[in-house]
Amino acid sequence: GQNIDQPTEMTATEGAIVQINCTYQTSGFNGLFWYQQHAGEAPTFLSYNVLDGLEEKGRFSSFLSRSKGYSYLLLKELQMKDSASYLCAVRDSNYQLIWGAGTKLIIKP
Amino acid sequence: ETGVTQTPRHLVMGMTNKKSLKCEQHLGHNAMYWYKQSAKKPLELMFVYNFKEQTENNSVPSRFSPECPNSSHLFLHLHTLQPEDSALYLCASSQESGGVGELFFGEGSRLTVL
Repeated sequence: GQNIDQPTEMTATEGAIVQINCTYQTSGFNGLFWYQQHAGEAPTFLSYNVLDGLEEKGRFSSFLSRSKGYSYLLLKELQMKDSASYLCAVRDSNYQLIWGAGTKLIIKP
Repeated sequence: ETGVTQTPRHLVMGMTNKKSLKCEQHLGHNAMYWYKQSAKKPLELMFVYNFKEQTENNSVPSRFSPECPNSSHLFLHLHTLQPEDSALYLCASSQESGGVGELFFGEGSRLTVL
């Protein structure tokens, strides 16, 4: 079967760095997405990786290793507003999106 | 208005009621989706419409009935729901289904079935 694994919950301190991991086993691979979802709000697109390596976008970076079935989202200089759930999703060979259950990130002062 | 808007934001209904969720996108996209989001579970894809045609129905019970009158509007008609159907229902759109672009989500309709 197809599966996406990510930690259920993480806690970090304001100003610090946190890495949220995502591992996947899917039928083929056509890209990996990260979304951010604040409580009671819509998920919003953060990043897309289709080739191996690091994609940097401001304080957020996303890394992909296709051979390892692994990605991470790196958040730097954490702010209280970064408290949210982070969803990992992989597009399989049929271009279907397979979703992880999300990682709830709690930022403490 | 921009983006994807969903109404109502909150809905409480009994098991014998009939209600509808509405979604409207102002992005000029051709694909629209209904997802179910339950606590600590992955998003569950329910229905996909591409150019107004339903292209996917993920074995959703018939008590959920989608309708897509045009590329900008999507409805989810609800009838004789069960308490386990209580969840957040998210609408999303994309340029077209099966493409490489990202999804744009609405804020969801929080459904409680009593």
